[in-house]
Amino acid sequence: AQSVAQPEDQVNVAEGNPLTVKCTYSVSGNPYLFWYVQYPNRGLQFLLKYITGDNLVKGSYGFEAEFNKSQTSFHLKKPSALVSDSALYFCAVFGAGNMLTFGGGTRLMVKP
Amino acid sequence: GAGVSQSPSNKVTEKGKDVELRCDPISGHTALYWYRQRLGQGLEFLIYFQGNSAPDKSGLPSDRFSAERTGESVSTLTIQRTQQEDSAVYLCASSLWTGGYGYTFGSGTRLTVV
Repeated sequence: AQSVAQPEDQVNVAEGNPLTVKCTYSVSGNPYLFWYVQYPNRGLQFLLKYITGDNLVKGSYGFEAEFNKSQTSFHLKKPSALVSDSALYFCAVFGAGNMLTFGGGTRLMVKP
Repeated sequence: GAGVSQSPSNKVTEKGKDVELRCDPISGHTALYWYRQRLGQGLEFLIYFQGNSAPDKSGLPSDRFSAERTGESVSTLTIQRTQQEDSAVYLCASSLWTGGYGYTFGSGTRLTVV
């Protein structure tokens, strides 16, 4: 069965600094990988996905993610964090059962 | 519709009462998923519908929970004899025939059992 690990419950970063939110995965076959963001009192919003092709995927709101097959990782990155990026971030992998398996989430706190 | 619509957005109910939560998926999305999210926590899978196939009910926490979907349209999640531990946000998502396309989530129903 597939699995996703987000090793950090919370990431703190100062506004203007680069941010990284970590994700590692385990799945049979080629991975389909996703990042979602959840703002307070909202549902999850799609940020970006990797299916195939370039290992660096660009998404919404200036976010990007780097697929690393050898390390089975799909870390979310942004060159310059904004206070408005503060939210809960979920990594997910598509696998058996025709469903997405989600990580436990990482809370990103960007301080002014 | 343009997005996944859930109703009500908020529901306060007394312990022991039954509640029904509704999800209206994106038109053409054959797959529909229900998740539960306790405050500040991750997503807990509840149930998955795919077209007219038998649903995957493996995530339902107890027999007080049930869900229905007619064809590829609206789904209702029913919680009978609600308990305080049922308090959570219930999220619905839909996708094209396979989750590999990604999910579109609704805004959720916040259930509070008092």
